Amino acid sequence: EVQLVESGGGLGQPGGSLKLSCAASGFTFSGSAMHWVRQASGKGLEWVGRIRTKANSYATTYAASVKGRFTISRDDSKNTAYLQMNSLKTEDTAMYYCTSDTAMVRWGQGTLVTVSS
Amino acid sequence: QSALTQPASVSGSPGQSITISCTGTSSDVGGYNYVSWYQQHPGKAPKLMIYEVSNRPSGVSIRFSGSKSGNTASLTISGLQAEDEADYYCSSYTTSSTHVFGTGTEVTVL
Repeated sequence: EVQLVESGGGLGQPGGSLKLSCAASGFTFSGSAMHWVRQASGKGLEWVGRIRTKANSYATTYAASVKGRFTISRDDSKNTAYLQMNSLKTEDTAMYYCTSDTAMVRWGQGTLVTVSS
Repeated sequence: QSALTQPASVSGSPGQSITISCTGTSSDVGGYNYVSWYQQHPGKAPKLMIYEVSNRPSGVSIRFSGSKSGNTASLTISGLQAEDEADYYCSSYTTSSTHVFGTGTEVTVL
């Protein structure tokens, strides 16, 4: 069964850090680009960033709203992608989803991040 | 990168066809055939319905179809059913090697 399971969400302080994980199973993780997408409560989807495969040099790109603060990485030996979030802002509060492949074929159920003092 | 423009809401009666538009620019929708559509029911994760403008993933009903003309992509749902009531989002690859989502459309089955 294909699965993406996010974890690591919770309460973060403004200016603080959180690291999310996305554990994959049931498909060839190492051959799949991985994205992070977020959705604030009652709002639309916002693309956060993407990491490509080893064959594409693990290239990363980010939305302007998180560039310089968030970093996406992956460990193909653990079939896991990560989202390191630094310098958190209240506007980063959202459900965070990981999703695979250029077309964002497979999605996890999300992990909730709340940034508040 | 600004969000792609979608109508806030579209409605139709059971059995009817509806079309949702997704308008971007030559830097995203108009420049690439990497336009996708996602369905999201309340409290659930999005589900891919159409990829690369007009391709349906395995398991998605043939009632869903996609197209593109210039800077505008479209999703058509034919034979509207109660289960189609959901939010729908388009997305596109961009010249900045990023992706961008549409503003989202709420579909109501009357």
